[in-house]
Amino acid sequence: AQTVTQSQPEMSVQEAETVTLSCTYDTSESDYYLFWYKQPPSRQMILVIRQEAYKQQNATENRFSVNFQKAAKSFSLKISDSQLGDAAMYFCAYRSAGGGSEKLVFGKGTKLTVNP
Amino acid sequence: EAQVTQNPRYLITVTGKKLTVTCSQNMNHEYMSWYRQDPGLGLRQIYYSMNVEVTDKGDVPEGYKVSRKEKRNFPLILESPSPNQTSLYFCASSLAYRGWQDEAFFGQGTRLTVV
Repeated sequence: AQTVTQSQPEMSVQEAETVTLSCTYDTSESDYYLFWYKQPPSRQMILVIRQEAYKQQNATENRFSVNFQKAAKSFSLKISDSQLGDAAMYFCAYRSAGGGSEKLVFGKGTKLTVNP
Repeated sequence: EAQVTQNPRYLITVTGKKLTVTCSQNMNHEYMSWYRQDPGLGLRQIYYSMNVEVTDKGDVPEGYKVSRKEKRNFPLILESPSPNQTSLYFCASSLAYRGWQDEAFFGQGTRLTVV
């Protein structure tokens, strides 16, 4: 079974600074997808960024980028120029690519605080 | 607007009183699932459905039931709720068998308290 580990229960960053959230995962599969979700106080789950395992190029979405290290099974999220609205719980998630499996396996989450 | 709608958003109930949390999606998605979110545990899958009349257990199915009589609806049933089912519940839907296009859409969440 796949597992996802987020080793930082809480992180904080100063507004306008850069912060990196860590995520590691364990799988025996070679093809899969990885995601970062943001959950603000409204509780809504918002997809921030995603990465296909067979793509070597790291995904980027505006101020959000990932560092995907397939061999190390690492998938960290970098937030640049942090804004107050980035304060939220962040979840790393894994999904198998084959067999029609749509199940998301989540990490335990990292609570990000942004200080003004 | 594409969306997944859960109701209610908040619910307080007593132990043993049957309840249903509804979930409806308007995107014609085949795959629907329920997750529960607990502090320090992240989200865990309870049940899922690949299509109408096709359901299966996720990782934490004990104490829950589901049904999928229509493609758009996937209710979560707690026949005899207990305090350990106090949690935040999410319904999610996605296309199936389309690889990269299978983005999951989540409902707004249901905060359930069982006393």
